[in-house]
Amino acid sequence: SAVISQKPSRDICQRGTSLTIQCQVDSQVTMMFWYRQQPGQSLTLIATANQGSEATYESGFVIDKFPISRPNLTFSTLTVSNMSPEDSSIYLCSGSRGRADTEAFFGQGTRLTVV
Amino acid sequence: QQPVQSPQAVILREGEDAVINCSSSKALYSVHWYRQKHGEAPVFLMILLKGGEQKGHEKISASFNEKKQQSSLYLTASQLSYSGTYFCGTGGSGNTGKLIFGQGTTLQVKP
Repeated sequence: SAVISQKPSRDICQRGTSLTIQCQVDSQVTMMFWYRQQPGQSLTLIATANQGSEATYESGFVIDKFPISRPNLTFSTLTVSNMSPEDSSIYLCSGSRGRADTEAFFGQGTRLTVV
Repeated sequence: QQPVQSPQAVILREGEDAVINCSSSKALYSVHWYRQKHGEAPVFLMILLKGGEQKGHEKISASFNEKKQQSSLYLTASQLSYSGTYFCGTGGSGNTGKLIFGQGTTLQVKP
């Protein structure tokens, strides 16, 4: 399985600012995804990061708030824009070879606190 | 649509068995099971595919009932290391690897 490096691992940010989270996979994957996990809650899919094109967002998430880039097969970024305390959460990057019979693997997550 | 897991929480003694269920209102094509310990990334356990066989290794196994649109995870003779939150993730027909996760089942194994 692939190893995903995510950084920063945690950050405390002022409201109104933006934070960019980086995700690096050690081998080529077909698909990359970004999830949000509130403390004690499930993983909620934010978007699918598409290589070289705009990300595909899930209901309730918009590009202006969560712009995503994926310039190549092994790297993606998620920006949390104009942050408010409600954005405090863990953000997880995930990679998959894009087949139903293969696992999805996760980065260690970025714990974001907005004050 | 988010799959529904039951129970929400389980407390066991070492050596006891547990079953965690994952149900969907939509047709299931694949079900992935993960375990997450506090502060850590989810760890892959197994995948079950539509039309596939029951999977398992040693004391953790799972089944997939297409008619009921349900998967069950079986933990046999539980160990302390089994403690954590278990998530099922359901995949659609597009084979994209995109998963929608259930709300999770917290399992605590006591000595």
